[in-house]
Amino acid sequence: GAGVSQTPSNKVTEKGKYVELRCDPISGHTALYWYRQSLGQGPEFLIYFQGTGAADDSGLPNDRFFAVRPEGSVSTLKIQRTERGDSAVYLCASSLRGSGAVASGANVLTFGAGSRLTVL
Amino acid sequence: AQSVSQHNHHVILSEAASLELGCNYSYGGTVNLFWYVQYPGQHLQLLLKYFSGDPLVKGIKGFEAEFIKSKFSFNLRKPSVQWSDTAEYFCAVNSGEGGYQKVTFGTGTKLQVIP
Repeated sequence: GAGVSQTPSNKVTEKGKYVELRCDPISGHTALYWYRQSLGQGPEFLIYFQGTGAADDSGLPNDRFFAVRPEGSVSTLKIQRTERGDSAVYLCASSLRGSGAVASGANVLTFGAGSRLTVL
Repeated sequence: AQSVSQHNHHVILSEAASLELGCNYSYGGTVNLFWYVQYPGQHLQLLLKYFSGDPLVKGIKGFEAEFIKSKFSFNLRKPSVQWSDTAEYFCAVNSGEGGYQKVTFGTGTKLQVIP
């Protein structure tokens, strides 16, 4: 598509429930990133995909968080047993590619509008 | 590990005042540097970027930033702000650390421009 699309835009859930957040990147972008933005903070890195594989998941806070990108395009971030502290805006971004020369310019991130998660 | 520090959390200016937002990064090797902006109710968008070459980078809406390698800085400037510049500004760095291009963001600076 023309931009990065994220659904849902807003999600309210109860503590302990399971949540899925979806990201549809720009067509042709091989790199996909998930970030989390809490109130008053900058985007915090969660996970990065190059193609179908998670190249770096070091930012996932714990094993309740998991993300997949089975066909190298759409990605789903999954949160199990949600906690109030998971409340944040979850941002997805894509770039043309995530590897290669640092000065190549291929790592400019295009962000989606985010999914605002509220855990009651 | 790469990191970014933004010195000002909240800046209030009158229209036509000059703006400078500080940004320092910690990585010593080759870096790409970015400023992203988030207008109220909108998503993050790229304001300007530095990859190589001229350290003075010009972006959209009259913004510019200067890469000073010796100071590990990439400050954002605008000679005369407008009310429409009210937004949150994020500095970001990518170093290629770890073999891929992870982008790390600062905590952001909220700019409020008073008409």
